[in-house]
Amino acid sequence: GNSVTQMEGPVTLSEEAFLTINCTYTATGYPSLFWYVQYPGEGLQLLLKATKADDKGSNKGFEATYRKETTSFHLEKGSVQVSDSAVYFCALSVRAGNNRKLIWGLGTSLAVNP
Amino acid sequence: DTGVSQDPRHKITKRGQNVTFRCDPISEHNRLYWYRQTLGQGPEFLTYFQNEAQLEKSRLLSDRFSAERPKGSFSTLEIQRTEQGDSAMYLCASSRMGEGAEAFFGQGTRLTVV
Repeated sequence: GNSVTQMEGPVTLSEEAFLTINCTYTATGYPSLFWYVQYPGEGLQLLLKATKADDKGSNKGFEATYRKETTSFHLEKGSVQVSDSAVYFCALSVRAGNNRKLIWGLGTSLAVNP
Repeated sequence: DTGVSQDPRHKITKRGQNVTFRCDPISEHNRLYWYRQTLGQGPEFLTYFQNEAQLEKSRLLSDRFSAERPKGSFSTLEIQRTEQGDSAMYLCASSRMGEGAEAFFGQGTRLTVV
């Protein structure tokens, strides 16, 4: 079946630290991969995406590379800020017949301290 | 376009009452999704529309839940005879057709069943 596994949180970092949030997936076919972010009290927003192997998605200093050989899409940022404190969700989109839906990880909470 | 909007933002209801939520997707988006999210969890897929056709329903969606999307525009999600276990954030998202199409989320409707 299709599934997404994220590292468990919470992750607590100091400002300017390096961030990695691991995400691995299982999927039939060729999924598209996404990272969504949910800031406190807000809805889900797309952070970045990659639609094929070796693609790198990037936004707001965050990056993730679609690694088919390791079935991974790890999220990284070189220097986190307090404003990055949020819950991060890894997701994949896979076609099932005529349908395409998102399969979600459980989310990883990030707290960045000044 | 102001994005995906959901109404109401919050709903408190007594157990056994019926509730209805509305979602207005981004106007040119064919696909519309309903998810449920509880604290500390990722979104759980409930149902999916392509235009006016409801193409998939999760097994999570008991017969107390029904969703419609008349004319392929706005959608409603009704919960009959609410139970305390229905308390959650109900999220609506919409997207275009196509590979890797981004899903845009509304702010959600938080339901509390007392």
